[in-house]
Amino acid sequence: GAGVSQSPRYKVTKRGQDVALRCDPISGHVSLYWYRQALGQGPEFLTYFNYEAQQDKSGLPNDRFSAERPEGSISTLTIQRTEQRDSAMYRCASSLSHPSGSSYNEQFFGPGTRLTVL
Amino acid sequence: SQQGEEDPQALSIQEGENATMNCSYKTSINNLQWYRQNSGRGLVHLILIRSNEREKHSGRLRVTLDTSKKSSSLLITASRAADTASYFCALATNAGGTSYGKLTFGQGTILTVHP
Repeated sequence: GAGVSQSPRYKVTKRGQDVALRCDPISGHVSLYWYRQALGQGPEFLTYFNYEAQQDKSGLPNDRFSAERPEGSISTLTIQRTEQRDSAMYRCASSLSHPSGSSYNEQFFGPGTRLTVL
Repeated sequence: SQQGEEDPQALSIQEGENATMNCSYKTSINNLQWYRQNSGRGLVHLILIRSNEREKHSGRLRVTLDTSKKSSSLLITASRAADTASYFCALATNAGGTSYGKLTFGQGTILTVHP
């Protein structure tokens, strides 16, 4: 089946504008994660959901960042009043089941959205 | 820091040689995962090793985990030019005894395999 998809793939915006990044996880995957990756660095955790519940948002940099997953499938990461420092690759991942016990499932990553704030 | 630290930062080898990358960490983990990222592409999951496992194989990949030393290694045998990529270790930790899905990635090892 289809993998994780993200849209748009590229987004160029002016400072101060709001942007919404979309993630469509693999069908049936319970958990959905958002990461941000700067050039030459590993991905940095932002937030994650089990079904529609946001389990952890400790990685969101500030209150300009928010995420939702209202129906437990597609998720949107919104950045308000964008700043140049928000420029990065934003990656979404999903996994089949939420972590429980000692068994974690691998995370499948989407292609990412390259955000450039001018 | 919960972040894994990869070593070396960059590795350059000839096709056919073996490549070994190491990851050290400081916190307790539930499992450790390795991912590959080709230039301009997404992250691909390679292998997951749980904290109660010591070694795992997948094709030409061999991963070891030493929880007493808080370190892991990824060995790629008989490397190919197509193995050229960045390799990341990612830690899955427990938070207060609760299972947790967040992954903490290291900065990666850039592997270049020359034909």
